[in-house]
Amino acid sequence: DAMVIQNPRYQVTQFGKPVTLSCSQTLNHNVMYWYQQKSSQAPKLLFHYYDKDFNNEADTPDNFQSRRPNTSFCFLDIRSPGLGDAAMYLCATSREGAGMVSGANVLTFGAGSRLTVL
Amino acid sequence: EDQVTQSPEALRLQEGESSSLNCSYTVSGLRGLFWYRQDPGKGPEFLFTLYSAGEEKEKERLKATLTKKESFLHITAPKPEDSATYLCAVGSGNTGKLIFGQGTTLQVKP
Repeated sequence: DAMVIQNPRYQVTQFGKPVTLSCSQTLNHNVMYWYQQKSSQAPKLLFHYYDKDFNNEADTPDNFQSRRPNTSFCFLDIRSPGLGDAAMYLCATSREGAGMVSGANVLTFGAGSRLTVL
Repeated sequence: EDQVTQSPEALRLQEGESSSLNCSYTVSGLRGLFWYRQDPGKGPEFLFTLYSAGEEKEKERLKATLTKKESFLHITAPKPEDSATYLCAVGSGNTGKLIFGQGTTLQVKP
C-alpha cells in the first residue's frame, strides 16, 4: 500500500542535543508537510515543500530546519531541542497544495514521531 | 481571519447513542472541509472531504454534512471502536493552507 512512513516512532533526547526525524512517502505526492502537535491541541504547521520549493511558517522557530533531498524523503532537524519542543511531529503529503479545489489537496498523514526531551 | 472551531471539546456516549459533532468555520475561499480521525499516539486518518454547501458523505456509522458556515459529523449508533479524536480542517484559498480545529474527543462506552 502507498503510504507515509515516519521514523523513529519514538525519540528521546537530552536538552540541547540535536535530533533528526525522517519521513518517506510512496505516493509520489508533490507536497510534504511537517506539523507539530502538542497534547490536546490542533496540529500546527511548521513548514512545507512543494517539490523542492521550501515554505516556512512565519512563527516557526529557527531551531527547526527541514531538508527534502528527493521526492520521496523529507527530514525535520531540531538543532537544540528545548523542553517546550516535546511533542508529536506529524509528516503529511498531498498531491497539490491545500489551496487547490479538488481531491488533490487531501492530506495523508504518517503515524507520527513522538519526541521526548529530558 | 480564517478560523475553525469545533464543539464540544469532549463527548461521552453510550454505545448505540447517536449524536453529532460540530465544526464552525470562517474562511476566505473554501477549498474543502476535511474530517480526520485521530487515535491516541497516531497520526490523523482521513475520513471525508466536502467541497460545497449541501454536500453529504457517509462511511459506515459516520455521515458528514456541510453548510456555508458549519459542518456536522453525525455518528449513528456508535460503538466503542468509534472512540477517538475527530479533527476538522478547512482549506483556505486565501492563504493556501489547511486550518485545523482543536478536535472533539469522543468516548463511547459499552
